[in-house]
Amino acid sequence: DAKTTQPNSMESNEEEPVHLPCNHSTISGTDYIHWYRQLPSQGPEYVIHGLTSNVNNRMASLAIAEDRKSSTLILHRATLRDAAVYYCILRLNTGNQFYFGTGTSLTVIP
Amino acid sequence: ETGVTQSPTHLIKTRGQQVTLRCSSQSGHNTVSWYQQALGQGPQFIFQYYREEENGRGNFPPRFSGLQFPNYSSELNVNALELDDSALYLCASSRLQGNTEAFFGQGTRLTVV
Repeated sequence: DAKTTQPNSMESNEEEPVHLPCNHSTISGTDYIHWYRQLPSQGPEYVIHGLTSNVNNRMASLAIAEDRKSSTLILHRATLRDAAVYYCILRLNTGNQFYFGTGTSLTVIP
Repeated sequence: ETGVTQSPTHLIKTRGQQVTLRCSSQSGHNTVSWYQQALGQGPQFIFQYYREEENGRGNFPPRFSGLQFPNYSSELNVNALELDDSALYLCASSRLQGNTEAFFGQGTRLTVV
């Protein structure tokens, strides 16, 4: 299984930027980096994904290290609704089979 | 709202019984994956179905089985239920071709007593 390593928990003040790190040292050249988040009592929700270049969308930005062994999810202004467990996942090129770790539980402080 | 619906939302079964969980995938998606999420853990990949065939399986015993129908909806069947099967079961639909995101349903909470 493709492995990722994330901190168990992080805190952020509301309206401050949040940088959520992820290590994936065993990534192969064709693996995509996906981020999902899961709010309490809900299924995971897609946030962003990328391969080599940094990516931006309406929810977040994804910064990928040059060697691709790590990445950082950036929430530009944390809101209370961003409190969730964030999962960094490697999507193998063989299909949309995701191997989740335990994720990072983000607490947003008002 | 992801367009992926699962039923039932909650279920209580007795150890040794069998259970069937259902998932309707999002329009245009041809792949369905199932995940088991124990309390406090990340989802664990059970298996994936593409064009009505199993297209990958995680580390789950054969008593976990599935089906995909021509309309791409899917079922997860679990035989001989054990107490440790109590979990949130998630269904995710996606397109196999291309690197696209998956859309998850809200899950079915199964409790085995």
